[in-house]
Amino acid sequence: AQSVAQPEDQVNVAEGNPLTVKCTYSVSGNPYLFWYVQYPNRGLQFLLKYITGDNLVKGSYGFEAEFNKSQTSFHLKKPSALVSDSALYFCAVRDRRSGGSYIPTFGRGTSLIVHP
Amino acid sequence: NAGVTQTPKFQVLKTGQSMTLQCAQDMNHEYMSWYRQDPGMGLRLIHYSVGAGITDQGEVPNGYNVSRSTTEDFPLRLLSAAPSQTSVYFCASSSSGRRTDTQYFGPGTRLTVL
Repeated sequence: AQSVAQPEDQVNVAEGNPLTVKCTYSVSGNPYLFWYVQYPNRGLQFLLKYITGDNLVKGSYGFEAEFNKSQTSFHLKKPSALVSDSALYFCAVRDRRSGGSYIPTFGRGTSLIVHP
Repeated sequence: NAGVTQTPKFQVLKTGQSMTLQCAQDMNHEYMSWYRQDPGMGLRLIHYSVGAGITDQGEVPNGYNVSRSTTEDFPLRLLSAAPSQTSVYFCASSSSGRRTDTQYFGPGTRLTVL
């Protein structure tokens, strides 16, 4: 079984400050991990993914995420938030095992609000 | 490429009515999925398809039917609409069975059932 937890429904941050959106996962094997962003009245857009190798993954719009196997976490980060980053963010996981589910499991989403 | 397209964007139905939500992709993707998004619930998988002629149930399939007669199209049918099916529906596709694949989402259909 695979699951994702996004413990914060909402994250508030001032423009120019660093931001973190948290994600923890559970899989039977090793994970493939993804972050997606949803702007108002739009579909989800891919931000970044962790497949293997370097634990720090860089993605679109200046976002990055750090894979931590011991803490089973994949937190999304950005050094300096912009008002335009305000959106809904989803973490997703797939089990790497060949017998595991191909279909990704999504978290419940975290609303990021960046204040001017 | 248009990517993943969905029609209609908005729909209001009365309880008991039926309708089909359309989804099409022009990327020659094998895998397609339907999700519903409800406040506080995130995305929940309704049905998915791993190729033309092959479909399977997701987490919340009751009240919905799908078929996949072509690679491009993956319509979702509501057989007898209920207020509990009020939601935003997203179609997604990905290129193959690799677990590293990114999913591409359509813009969504906002459905209200009265």
